[in-house]
Amino acid sequence: AQSVSQHNHHVILSEAASLELGCNYSYGGTVNLFWYVQYPGQHLQLLLKYFSGDPLVKGIKGFEAEFIKSKFSFNLRKPSVQWSDTAEYFCAVSGGSYIPTFGRGTSLIVHP
Amino acid sequence: NAGVTQTPKFQVLKTGQSMTLQCAQDMNHNSMYWYRQDPGMGLRLIYYSASEGTTDKGEVPNGYNVSRLNKREFSLRLESAAPSQTSVYFCASSPRTGLVGTEAFFGQGTRLTVV
Repeated sequence: AQSVSQHNHHVILSEAASLELGCNYSYGGTVNLFWYVQYPGQHLQLLLKYFSGDPLVKGIKGFEAEFIKSKFSFNLRKPSVQWSDTAEYFCAVSGGSYIPTFGRGTSLIVHP
Repeated sequence: NAGVTQTPKFQVLKTGQSMTLQCAQDMNHNSMYWYRQDPGMGLRLIYYSASEGTTDKGEVPNGYNVSRLNKREFSLRLESAAPSQTSVYFCASSPRTGLVGTEAFFGQGTRLTVV
């Protein structure tokens, strides 16, 4: 069975600070990896995804993530956060069945 | 293009009442899912439908039933609501379970409170 672990449950940053959110997964085979964002009161939207090729994936709004197979990790990064990045962030993995399994989420608050 | 549409957006039920959450997608996706979102628990899969005519249990199916009415619609039914089912429910769809590189698209959610 696949599972996802997000290390940071709550992160508070000031604008312009750098962001890195940790995500580790467990699954022995080929995986698809995703980061979703949920702005307050809204539904989940895809930030970026990885399924093959270059392990450094660039998404929308300046976000990027790096797939490190040896570490079973898919960490999300942004060099300089903005107040509008305040949201909840979910890492997800889909393995053999390709049904997405989600982590518990990280709540990010960015102070202006 | 509406994507995934859920109704209702908000609902308050009394313990023991029943209700059906509706979900429809207009993207011609084969697979559809129901998740519940609880604080600190992330999204947990309740049921999914890999294709029209099939449904399967997810991680937390107890107390729920589903119907894949046709390719577009996938409903979630609570037969006898309990306070533990207070949650935000999300419907999602994807082109096909088993298809590499595709993501799920989510509806706006239904906030359900059981008192």
